[in-house]
Amino acid sequence: EPEVTQTPSHQVTQMGQEVILRCVPISNHLYFYWYRQILGQKVEFLVSFYYNEISDKSEIFDDQFSVERPDGSNFTLKIRSTKLEDSAMYFCASSLDAELEAFFGQGTRLTVV
Amino acid sequence: QQQVKQSPQSLIVQKGGISIINCAYENTAFDYFPWYQQFPGKGPALLIAIRPDVSEKKEGRFTISFNKSAKQFSLHIMDSQPGDSATYFCAASSRSGGYQKVTFGTGTKLQVIP
Repeated sequence: EPEVTQTPSHQVTQMGQEVILRCVPISNHLYFYWYRQILGQKVEFLVSFYYNEISDKSEIFDDQFSVERPDGSNFTLKIRSTKLEDSAMYFCASSLDAELEAFFGQGTRLTVV
Repeated sequence: QQQVKQSPQSLIVQKGGISIINCAYENTAFDYFPWYQQFPGKGPALLIAIRPDVSEKKEGRFTISFNKSAKQFSLHIMDSQPGDSATYFCAASSRSGGYQKVTFGTGTKLQVIP
């Protein structure tokens, strides 16, 4: 069964450092998303991406965040200068169509120290 | 107004019992209400979803009840099994806001004991 895969599963970084979280969406999917889940809290939408551009973003997705589809298979989330409060589980998701089910990856746990 | 309120925070049910999780929303623009199931170390997975033109949707042991006038919806898990032990999130989104810009509830940790 096709699945969304994310790497790494866990990343520890020092405050102020840049991190790149990587995702390989399901191959024929056209819509890509990032969500985050701070430990013990709800899952929050960050950004949606379609045809090489951001289609929507939340207020959480400020100038410190960027997304990119560097090639035909990868979808990345970059945090330029990490803060302690960026520590969370980051989920990538993809869907074939904006109105169809989005499939989530297993997440990357980011710990900022 | 974008919030989705979910209760209870945790739930313990005996095997064979009925698990009930409740959610409420405020934004009347929401027109898609999915439920996600999340196992430890995994991402959320869509379990069942409903649109407000129906009051109930059933898939196997899982049923969503929807009350549009009260702006409430609930998940019922019949004949709960230990394998159902997971965290359940209700959620909502809208066509105008983008169906995948999902607002999640705070989650309910369900434990089904043998």
